[in-house]
Amino acid sequence: EAGVAQSPRYKIIEKRQSVAFWCNPISGHATLYWYQQILGQGPKLLIQFQNNGVVDDSQLPKDRFSAERLKGVDSTLKIQPAKLEDSAVYLCASSPLRGAYTEAFFGQGTRLTVV
Amino acid sequence: QKEVEQDPGPLSVPEGAIVSLNCTYSNSAFQYFMWYRQYSRKGPELLMYTYSSGNKEDGRFTAQVDKSSKYISLFIRDSQPSDSATYLCAMSLPSGGSYIPTFGRGTSLIVHP
Repeated sequence: EAGVAQSPRYKIIEKRQSVAFWCNPISGHATLYWYQQILGQGPKLLIQFQNNGVVDDSQLPKDRFSAERLKGVDSTLKIQPAKLEDSAVYLCASSPLRGAYTEAFFGQGTRLTVV
Repeated sequence: QKEVEQDPGPLSVPEGAIVSLNCTYSNSAFQYFMWYRQYSRKGPELLMYTYSSGNKEDGRFTAQVDKSSKYISLFIRDSQPSDSATYLCAMSLPSGGSYIPTFGRGTSLIVHP
Protein backbone atom coordinates (compact mmCIF):
# COMPACT_ATOMS: atom_id res chain seq x y z
CA GLU A 1 0.00 0.00 0.00
CA ALA A 2 1.49 3.33 -1.04
CA GLY A 3 1.84 5.93 1.70
CA VAL A 4 0.82 9.57 1.82
CA ALA A 5 2.70 11.49 -0.85
CA GLN A 6 3.66 15.12 -0.44
CA SER A 7 5.51 17.53 -2.70
CA PRO A 8 7.74 19.38 -2.77
CA ARG A 9 9.97 18.07 0.05
CA TYR A 10 11.71 21.41 0.50
CA LYS A 11 10.87 24.99 -0.45
CA ILE A 12 12.66 28.27 0.17
CA ILE A 13 10.82 31.50 -0.61
CA GLU A 14 11.08 35.15 0.28
CA LYS A 15 8.55 36.77 2.58
CA ARG A 16 5.45 38.07 0.82
CA GLN A 17 5.78 35.42 -1.89
CA SER A 18 3.21 32.68 -2.44
CA VAL A 19 3.69 28.94 -2.09
CA ALA A 20 1.58 25.83 -2.57
CA PHE A 21 1.93 22.32 -1.20
CA TRP A 22 0.36 19.20 -2.62
CA CYS A 23 -0.81 16.02 -0.88
CA ASN A 24 -2.02 12.71 -2.25
CA PRO A 25 -3.53 10.61 0.57
CA ILE A 26 -3.67 6.84 0.79
CA SER A 27 -6.25 5.51 -1.64
CA GLY A 28 -9.70 5.23 -0.08
CA HIS A 29 -8.94 7.35 2.97
CA ALA A 30 -11.85 9.68 3.65
CA THR A 31 -10.17 11.99 6.17
CA LEU A 32 -7.27 14.29 5.29
CA TYR A 33 -5.38 16.58 7.66
CA TRP A 34 -2.89 19.40 7.20
CA TYR A 35 -0.60 20.09 10.14
CA GLN A 36 2.03 22.76 10.75
CA GLN A 37 5.04 21.68 12.79
CA ILE A 38 7.38 24.45 13.90
CA LEU A 39 10.86 23.34 14.99
CA GLY A 40 10.76 21.97 18.53
CA GLN A 41 6.98 21.85 18.69
CA GLY A 42 4.30 19.25 18.09
CA PRO A 43 2.11 19.27 14.98
CA LYS A 44 -0.66 21.85 15.02
CA LEU A 45 -3.81 21.00 13.09
CA LEU A 46 -4.56 23.58 10.39
CA ILE A 47 -7.48 21.94 8.63
CA GLN A 48 -9.28 18.61 8.58
CA PHE A 49 -11.33 17.38 5.61
CA GLN A 50 -13.91 14.61 5.53
CA ASN A 51 -14.08 13.64 1.85
CA ASN A 52 -14.18 17.13 0.29
CA GLY A 53 -15.94 18.87 3.18
CA VAL A 54 -14.20 20.77 5.99
CA VAL A 55 -14.54 19.27 9.51
CA ASP A 56 -12.37 21.81 11.32
CA ASP A 57 -10.35 24.82 10.19
CA SER A 58 -10.43 26.83 13.39
CA GLN A 59 -6.63 27.19 13.53
CA LEU A 60 -6.13 28.03 9.85
CA PRO A 61 -5.01 31.68 9.41
CA LYS A 62 -7.61 32.36 6.77
CA ASP A 63 -6.23 35.77 5.81
CA ARG A 64 -3.21 34.07 4.24
CA PHE A 65 -3.77 30.32 4.20
CA SER A 66 -6.21 28.40 2.03
CA ALA A 67 -6.76 24.72 1.39
CA GLU A 68 -8.91 22.65 -0.87
CA ARG A 69 -9.54 19.00 -1.48
CA LEU A 70 -10.63 18.29 -5.00
CA LYS A 71 -13.10 15.43 -5.56
CA GLY A 72 -12.35 14.16 -2.05
CA VAL A 73 -8.88 12.93 -3.00
CA ASP A 74 -5.81 15.18 -3.50
CA SER A 75 -5.39 18.36 -1.53
CA THR A 76 -3.43 21.59 -1.84
CA LEU A 77 -2.47 24.05 0.87
CA LYS A 78 -1.54 27.58 -0.17
CA ILE A 79 0.09 30.45 1.66
CA GLN A 80 -0.25 33.92 0.21
CA PRO A 81 1.61 36.06 1.22
CA ALA A 82 4.14 34.15 3.33
CA LYS A 83 5.60 35.54 6.56
CA LEU A 84 8.83 34.63 8.32
CA GLU A 85 6.87 32.85 11.07
CA ASP A 86 5.41 30.45 8.48
CA SER A 87 8.77 28.64 8.36
CA ALA A 88 7.87 25.12 9.43
CA VAL A 89 7.27 21.59 8.21
CA TYR A 90 3.83 21.13 6.70
CA LEU A 91 2.56 17.60 7.26
CA CYS A 92 -0.30 15.94 5.46
CA ALA A 93 -2.00 12.89 6.98
CA SER A 94 -4.94 10.70 6.07
CA SER A 95 -7.10 8.15 7.85
CA PRO A 96 -9.60 5.65 6.53
CA LEU A 97 -12.76 5.86 8.62
CA ARG A 98 -15.25 8.46 9.74
CA GLY A 99 -16.56 8.53 13.31
CA ALA A 100 -14.62 5.84 15.15
CA TYR A 101 -10.97 6.45 15.87
CA THR A 102 -8.51 5.21 13.29
CA GLU A 103 -4.81 5.73 12.77
CA ALA A 104 -3.62 8.79 10.92
CA PHE A 105 -0.86 8.04 8.40
CA PHE A 106 1.55 10.90 7.83
CA GLY A 107 3.56 11.91 4.81
CA GLN A 108 7.18 13.00 5.14
CA GLY A 109 6.22 16.66 5.07
CA THR A 110 7.27 19.76 3.17
CA ARG A 111 9.94 21.85 4.88
CA LEU A 112 9.27 25.53 4.18
CA THR A 113 11.84 28.23 4.85
CA VAL A 114 10.74 31.84 4.49
CA VAL A 115 13.63 34.31 4.23
CA GLN B 1 -2.18 26.86 29.52
CA LYS B 2 -1.94 24.49 26.57
CA GLU B 3 -4.43 21.63 26.35
CA VAL B 4 -1.64 19.02 26.19
CA GLU B 5 1.62 19.46 28.10
CA GLN B 6 4.73 17.41 27.40
CA ASP B 7 8.31 17.92 28.57
CA PRO B 8 10.51 18.42 25.49
CA GLY B 9 13.62 16.81 27.04
CA PRO B 10 16.01 15.71 25.73
CA LEU B 11 15.94 12.51 27.74
CA SER B 12 19.21 10.59 27.49
CA VAL B 13 19.40 6.98 28.72
CA PRO B 14 21.78 4.04 28.32
CA GLU B 15 20.81 1.08 26.17
CA GLY B 16 18.66 -1.39 28.09
CA ALA B 17 17.13 1.20 30.41
CA ILE B 18 13.41 1.54 31.10
CA VAL B 19 12.13 4.81 29.69
CA SER B 20 9.11 6.70 31.01
CA LEU B 21 7.51 9.42 28.88
CA ASN B 22 4.58 11.46 30.14
CA CYS B 23 1.88 13.96 29.17
CA THR B 24 -0.74 15.85 31.08
CA TYR B 25 -3.91 17.32 29.64
CA SER B 26 -6.59 19.72 30.74
CA ASN B 27 -9.64 18.86 28.61
CA SER B 28 -11.63 16.02 30.15
CA ALA B 29 -13.53 15.60 26.86
CA PHE B 30 -10.53 13.93 25.19
CA GLN B 31 -11.50 10.35 24.33
CA TYR B 32 -8.63 8.64 22.52
CA PHE B 33 -5.03 8.79 23.66
CA MET B 34 -2.17 8.05 21.30
CA TRP B 35 1.59 7.88 21.17
CA TYR B 36 3.43 8.65 17.96
CA ARG B 37 7.13 8.26 17.21
CA GLN B 38 8.86 10.72 14.90
CA TYR B 39 12.33 10.15 13.52
CA SER B 40 14.31 13.13 12.30
CA ARG B 41 12.99 14.54 9.01
CA LYS B 42 10.16 12.00 8.90
CA GLY B 43 6.44 12.19 9.58
CA PRO B 44 5.04 10.82 12.85
CA GLU B 45 3.99 7.16 12.98
CA LEU B 46 1.51 5.68 15.40
CA LEU B 47 2.91 3.45 18.15
CA MET B 48 -0.14 2.81 20.28
CA TYR B 49 -3.55 4.13 21.10
CA THR B 50 -5.98 3.55 23.92
CA TYR B 51 -9.47 4.63 24.82
CA SER B 52 -9.97 3.92 28.49
CA SER B 53 -8.00 4.27 31.69
CA GLY B 54 -5.55 1.47 32.42
CA ASN B 55 -2.61 -0.17 30.71
CA LYS B 56 -2.10 -1.45 27.19
CA GLU B 57 0.95 -3.43 26.23
CA ASP B 58 2.55 -4.04 22.82
CA GLY B 59 5.92 -5.75 22.89
CA ARG B 60 8.40 -3.49 24.69
CA PHE B 61 5.90 -0.64 24.86
CA THR B 62 3.24 -0.03 27.51
CA ALA B 63 0.76 2.85 27.36
CA GLN B 64 -0.92 3.94 30.56
CA VAL B 65 -3.87 6.32 30.93
CA ASP B 66 -5.19 7.81 34.17
CA LYS B 67 -8.25 9.87 33.27
CA SER B 68 -8.89 10.90 36.88
CA SER B 69 -5.47 12.61 36.99
CA LYS B 70 -5.51 13.60 33.29
CA TYR B 71 -2.14 11.92 32.89
CA ILE B 72 -0.82 9.51 30.28
CA SER B 73 2.47 7.64 30.08
CA LEU B 74 4.47 5.54 27.66
CA PHE B 75 6.99 3.05 29.04
CA ILE B 76 9.70 1.52 26.89
CA ARG B 77 11.44 -1.56 28.26
CA ASP B 78 14.92 -2.66 27.20
CA SER B 79 15.44 0.54 25.24
CA GLN B 80 17.53 0.33 22.08
CA PRO B 81 19.52 2.97 20.13
CA SER B 82 16.91 2.57 17.37
CA ASP B 83 14.33 3.96 19.82
CA SER B 84 16.07 7.34 19.63
CA ALA B 85 13.40 9.66 18.27
CA THR B 86 10.86 12.24 19.34
CA TYR B 87 7.79 10.78 21.05
CA LEU B 88 4.56 12.73 20.65
CA CYS B 89 1.48 12.19 22.73
CA ALA B 90 -1.82 12.99 21.04
CA MET B 91 -5.44 13.10 22.13
CA SER B 92 -8.60 13.37 20.14
CA LEU B 93 -11.93 15.08 20.67
CA PRO B 94 -15.17 14.02 18.98
CA SER B 95 -16.48 16.70 16.65
CA GLY B 96 -19.14 16.53 13.96
CA GLY B 97 -18.94 12.77 13.61
CA SER B 98 -15.18 12.81 13.37
CA TYR B 99 -12.28 13.12 15.80
CA ILE B 100 -9.99 16.15 16.09
CA PRO B 101 -6.46 15.19 17.23
CA THR B 102 -4.31 17.50 19.39
CA PHE B 103 -0.59 16.82 19.81
CA GLY B 104 1.86 17.57 22.59
CA ARG B 105 5.17 19.18 21.68
CA GLY B 106 7.06 15.90 21.86
CA THR B 107 9.87 14.51 24.03
CA SER B 108 13.24 13.90 22.41
CA LEU B 109 14.68 10.53 23.50
CA ILE B 110 18.32 9.56 23.03
CA VAL B 111 19.35 5.97 23.77
CA HIS B 112 23.13 5.64 23.76
CA PRO B 113 24.96 2.32 23.35
